[in-house]
Amino acid sequence: SQQGEEDPQALSIQEGENATMNCSYKTSINNLQWYRQNSGRGLVHLILIRSNEREKHSGRLRVTLDTSKKSSSLLITASRAADTASYFCATVSGSARQLTFGSGTQLTVLP
Amino acid sequence: DAGITQSPRHKVTETGTPVTLRCHQTENHRYMYWYRQDPGHGLRLIHYSYGVKDTDKGEVSDGYSVSRSKTEDFLLTLESATSSQTSVYFCAISDKGAIGELFFGEGSRLTVL
Repeated sequence: SQQGEEDPQALSIQEGENATMNCSYKTSINNLQWYRQNSGRGLVHLILIRSNEREKHSGRLRVTLDTSKKSSSLLITASRAADTASYFCATVSGSARQLTFGSGTQLTVLP
Repeated sequence: DAGITQSPRHKVTETGTPVTLRCHQTENHRYMYWYRQDPGHGLRLIHYSYGVKDTDKGEVSDGYSVSRSKTEDFLLTLESATSSQTSVYFCAISDKGAIGELFFGEGSRLTVL
């Protein structure tokens, strides 16, 4: 079963706009990670946020975590055509050794 | 880029034939994972390894077996391939397990006719 579920499933924006993707999960987590996948490629790690953190930044990326609502958001500011990709959240819970992925958000940035 | 190689990258086979996918890493990471990716399902964990000869099942392990006889190689075997195993298979590695980031290979596209 999937722990994380991304919303929306698909998002289309103009270059320069901000893109926000959300992830909801079901059980308490140790950390939450975001990954990007370009078409036909493997996933690339973007950012990890721990359960005791509320916000984290990396370049144009901003991730927030609300453990009371069991949700996270990924904000990409000033988007570029090269940001076109699928974005996945992934969580690990308890003593689990495995990362569970959501089904992803397909982001299209139009030039 | 992390040194992780999957082979073959593409394979077409027939129902009932055995198939082995190989994941090779040069990073000396302890943890290795096999995921499958299907439309609408995201990535689902098949099996993972937390050391040489130490493996465990994931969410969708039925019909799959794995072996890890040395740190750098993690093999995924479909003993008798079925059409439902048509998918893209990704290997991932990590030095910290699920508490750290995973590095993914480029994927192996398997088609079972």
